[in-house]
Amino acid sequence: QSALTQPASVSGSPGQSITISCTGTSSDVGGYNYVSWYQQHPGKVPKLMIYDVTYRPSGVSNRFSGSKSGNTASLTISGLQAEDEADYYCSSYTSSKTEVFGGGTKLTVL
Amino acid sequence: EVQLVESGGGLVKPGGSLRLSCAASGFTFSSYSMNWVRQAPGKGLEWVASISSSSTYIHYADSVKGRSTISRDNAKNSLYLQMNSLRAEDTAVYYCARDGAVLDGRNFDYWGQGTLVTVSS
Repeated sequence: QSALTQPASVSGSPGQSITISCTGTSSDVGGYNYVSWYQQHPGKVPKLMIYDVTYRPSGVSNRFSGSKSGNTASLTISGLQAEDEADYYCSSYTSSKTEVFGGGTKLTVL
Repeated sequence: EVQLVESGGGLVKPGGSLRLSCAASGFTFSSYSMNWVRQAPGKGLEWVASISSSSTYIHYADSVKGRSTISRDNAKNSLYLQMNSLRAEDTAVYYCARDGAVLDGRNFDYWGQGTLVTVSS
């Protein structure tokens, strides 16, 4: 199972919006509405930010939103804040009933 | 409060074995599927294995299939990962993660702090 494709890095200024893409295949991202997004600050444990493509767990800011079109899922962060600077990973359920992560995207807040 | 505490990591020689444990508390352990996810130093996340609430369904990543066994003891609120024939590329922090999915799919809503496994001669 190949890793999902994410951009290595994205950046934005405070207050702006950014979008991170996550591209897979019809056997994972495109085939199921089971894409999740995780935020990981340096030296910290990953935190679930979005699940089932669009749902936010309790306590996650509504500045984070998810979407999907075909084989590509996206995470959008609006009103960018300094605390959003972190690594972001997407993951998807697959047709083999396994799970596959993306390579991760480093978000820099300028 | 949900807590997941991993243990059992350490330094092991190539070809060796290790058994990781994860002690769960703060939720009804027997009602949730559980997973192991690993992260090599400076690298991204990699899903390793999952086990359903009653151990009926077990799945592995190709990278560990045939060398690792995931298991659980619901009476002890514990999750395990037995790893054999360890290789340098298995060096990583291993996280225990709860599966928050209600029906199908998978998402990791709670994570432990991780335990470091280093495979080196």
